[in-house]
Amino acid sequence: DAGVTQSPTHLIKTRGQQVTLRCSPISGHKSVSWYQQVLGQGPQFIFQYYEKEERGRGNFPDRFSARQFPNYSSELNVNALLLGDSALYLCASSSGLDNSPLHFGNGTRLTVT
Amino acid sequence: QKEVEQNSGPLSVPEGAIASLNCTYSDRGSQSFFWYRQYSGKSPELIMFIYSNGDKEDGRFTAQLNKASQYVSLLIRDSQPSDSATYLCAVRDQDSNYQLIWGAGTKLIIKP
Repeated sequence: DAGVTQSPTHLIKTRGQQVTLRCSPISGHKSVSWYQQVLGQGPQFIFQYYEKEERGRGNFPDRFSARQFPNYSSELNVNALLLGDSALYLCASSSGLDNSPLHFGNGTRLTVT
Repeated sequence: QKEVEQNSGPLSVPEGAIASLNCTYSDRGSQSFFWYRQYSGKSPELIMFIYSNGDKEDGRFTAQLNKASQYVSLLIRDSQPSDSATYLCAVRDQDSNYQLIWGAGTKLIIKP
């Protein structure tokens, strides 16, 4: 079975641009979470979606938005990019049960210049 | 502010020895604990999860949980050079049951 897939793997954007990151969860998983990880730190929670509904939002500005589609895939959108948005963006899927562990994709490395 | 604390390391361990990684957390109500391994430039990979006090073993890995002292540890027996990575501790936030709170990770170096 395929794991969590993310695209693209790398992305270079300039300040002020917009970006869309995509994620497909493990087959059978209904929950998708997005995390941002900067070098030397642990991941920071951005969003979680379960059954197409937003289940939680982390402490990120409104420039960050996401959605989940009927097939449980998800997109993360970031508008008006800042240099500080440069990071590894991680998508994780889980079954959605409360204690279920997260399984991560390979991530999208976003560089904002 | 809920926190998860880890020693950033690096922790250097000879090949074949036991590596011991520790993590403390601030939320006394936490119930779910996870260890992830992350190689440089890669995404986190789930190693172990533990929900009950005591030890949980999986191959060369043992997770230990002590809720009274609010710490969780990961032991790696017979350490191999391929175990060299950053190990991240994550704790599920009970107030918002959907998100994990992460430590900054401990860098482990296994010396041949």
